[in-house]
Amino acid sequence: SYELTQPPSVSVSPGQTASITCSGDKLGDKYAFWYQRKAGQSPVLVIYQDTKRPSGIPERFSGSNSGNTATLTISGTQAMDEADYYCQAWDSGTAYVFGTGTKVTVL
Amino acid sequence: QVQLVESGGGVVQPGRSLRLSCATSGFTFSTYTMHWVRQAPGKGLEWVAVISSDGSRKYYADSVRGRFTVSRDNSRDTLYLQMNSLRPEDTALYYCAKAGGGGVAADPFDYWGQGTLVTVSS
Repeated sequence: SYELTQPPSVSVSPGQTASITCSGDKLGDKYAFWYQRKAGQSPVLVIYQDTKRPSGIPERFSGSNSGNTATLTISGTQAMDEADYYCQAWDSGTAYVFGTGTKVTVL
Repeated sequence: QVQLVESGGGVVQPGRSLRLSCATSGFTFSTYTMHWVRQAPGKGLEWVAVISSDGSRKYYADSVRGRFTVSRDNSRDTLYLQMNSLRPEDTALYYCAKAGGGGVAADPFDYWGQGTLVTVSS
């Protein structure tokens, strides 16, 4: 079955850049999606089709996807960005797959 | 605006059944694929099931195939998940999610409900 691996945690200082990786076999050949889940809230789509931001998502969120790794970058991280982040892709053998999740802490 | 409201969760004994509902508004329900996604306590997100806009195509995660059934009533703008033979490992917060459109591989989960908690315990 297809798997997506993320680092369990990422720490960042306010105003700095946070990068969250998502690794999977030939992930670059698929579309990657990213979801933010704040404590006690439902997930929110922050990046779709590798690089696109839904309406209402701040420009500081950006994405890339190449080779075996997709990356979510948060530039100028704010305290409100503290959350769990999940990548997701679709695989023909496994269907919809979520990454293991990364907890972003803004110190 | 788009709203998804799940209901039907609760505490149930192993082996019993439960039906979840997801009432929707703010979009043309009958034209969108819909999903169920769950999150067990302390765990990550897990996709559970998907149903096409007209209900003709349904797919399931291996962990629930043969026990869970997804369905929809386009006249009531409502999505359902019938869960049979429940196991303790099915304990989770269950979300319904709307597909964004764009084809299976390019389709995000663009709106999520608030979730309904299912606890399977004796």
